[in-house]
Amino acid sequence: DIQMTQSPSSLSASLGERVSLTCRASQDIGSSLNWLQQEPDGTIKRLIYATSSLDSGVPKRFSGSRSGSDYSLTISSLESEDFVDYYCLQYASSPLTFGAGTKLELK
Amino acid sequence: EVQLQQSGAELVKPGASVKLSCTASGFNIKDTYMHWVKQRPEQGLEWIGRIDPANGNTKYDPKFQGKATITADTSSNTAYLQLSSLTSEDTAVYYCATAWFAYWGQGTLVTVSA
Repeated sequence: DIQMTQSPSSLSASLGERVSLTCRASQDIGSSLNWLQQEPDGTIKRLIYATSSLDSGVPKRFSGSRSGSDYSLTISSLESEDFVDYYCLQYASSPLTFGAGTKLELK
Repeated sequence: EVQLQQSGAELVKPGASVKLSCTASGFNIKDTYMHWVKQRPEQGLEWIGRIDPANGNTKYDPKFQGKATITADTSSNTAYLQLSSLTSEDTAVYYCATAWFAYWGQGTLVTVSA
């Protein structure tokens, strides 16, 4: 199975700050990675697909990128509604696997 | 508008089975894969498996083989997840999602308790 090592597990940041979350893939997954956002009520939304494509309606402050086996989600300027949980998901190879998640907290 | 409406919360006894539903609107499930994902309380997400409703072909994470069965009814545009021989380890919220995880259901809480 492909392991997705997501870091950090939690991050304390301020409004307006720029932050980056990372997932490292244990094997080559090409561009087959999504970033997901989960609200406290459990609602899950896809933000980024195929590593760097922004989903329709997602604010442009969110972006995705890749450097080798490291995949990053960057939020350029944090807003209050961004302080929720984030997960990466690789779909290159079955079984599909998720990162362990990052909880973004308001400092 | 694409929507996935999942069935309501379930309280089931250990050893029993449960069947969850996910009814799609705004698209035809025959045109896409449908996935199921598990999330235990305060834990991360786990992929259970997926179905191609056009032909019924399924693929599972091996750790859910024998535990989960995914089916689909194209006439009602609904995907199903059946969980068998339930234990406390199966207490979780279960989500359905479309191909590429573009759209998600609201989740169904399954609580296994005597």
